[in-house]
Amino acid sequence: KNQVEQSPQSLIILEGKNCTLQCNYTVSPFSNLRWYKQDTGRGPVSLTIMTFSENTKSNGRYTATLDADTKQSSLHITASQLSDSASYICVVSLNSGNTPLVFGKGTRLSVIA
Amino acid sequence: DGGITQSPKYLFRKEGQNVTLSCEQNLNHDAMYWYRQDPGQGLRLIYYSQIVNDFQKGDIAEGYSVSREKKESFPLTVTSAQKNPTAFYLCASMRSSNRGEKLFFGSGTQLSVL
Repeated sequence: KNQVEQSPQSLIILEGKNCTLQCNYTVSPFSNLRWYKQDTGRGPVSLTIMTFSENTKSNGRYTATLDADTKQSSLHITASQLSDSASYICVVSLNSGNTPLVFGKGTRLSVIA
Repeated sequence: DGGITQSPKYLFRKEGQNVTLSCEQNLNHDAMYWYRQDPGQGLRLIYYSQIVNDFQKGDIAEGYSVSREKKESFPLTVTSAQKNPTAFYLCASMRSSNRGEKLFFGSGTQLSVL
């Protein structure tokens, strides 16, 4: 069964600290993996996409990694800000089918002063 | 200013009532999707449409209906058959490229039962 598991379910960190969110998947055939940020009461917004051949990609203070062998991805946030408080959703695309996206349940991040 | 527009932001439904959620896009995307989000849960696919005048059931289509008469519009009707409609509903369109699929989401509609 195609699944995406995210951990932790929720996380609280102090402003200025770093954190890492995890995403493990059992999706096949794999096409790509995307991280979305969802602010409370809003729709998700894409942060970054990782394809099979990419190991690391950065978008400002966000750095995503992908290990296609172990089927794991991480999202590292550096020097967190209060505005980073949101849910972070890992979405994996299959390389086939009419509904190619498999969603994780997300990690709820709270950054406090 | 391109994007996905959902309305209303908040909606209340009475028992036995059908309600319709609006979703409009000006991104010229062919594929559009409706998702339901419950607290602590991932997004679940209700319906999707890959082209005008065609749509398919997702994982939780019971109690919902859609139409796709125009490329820009993909309204969702929550019928009285949906016994637990309280949730956050997200509409999205998809851009496909050699870099992969990317969803563009609306700002969502919070539906509550009176």
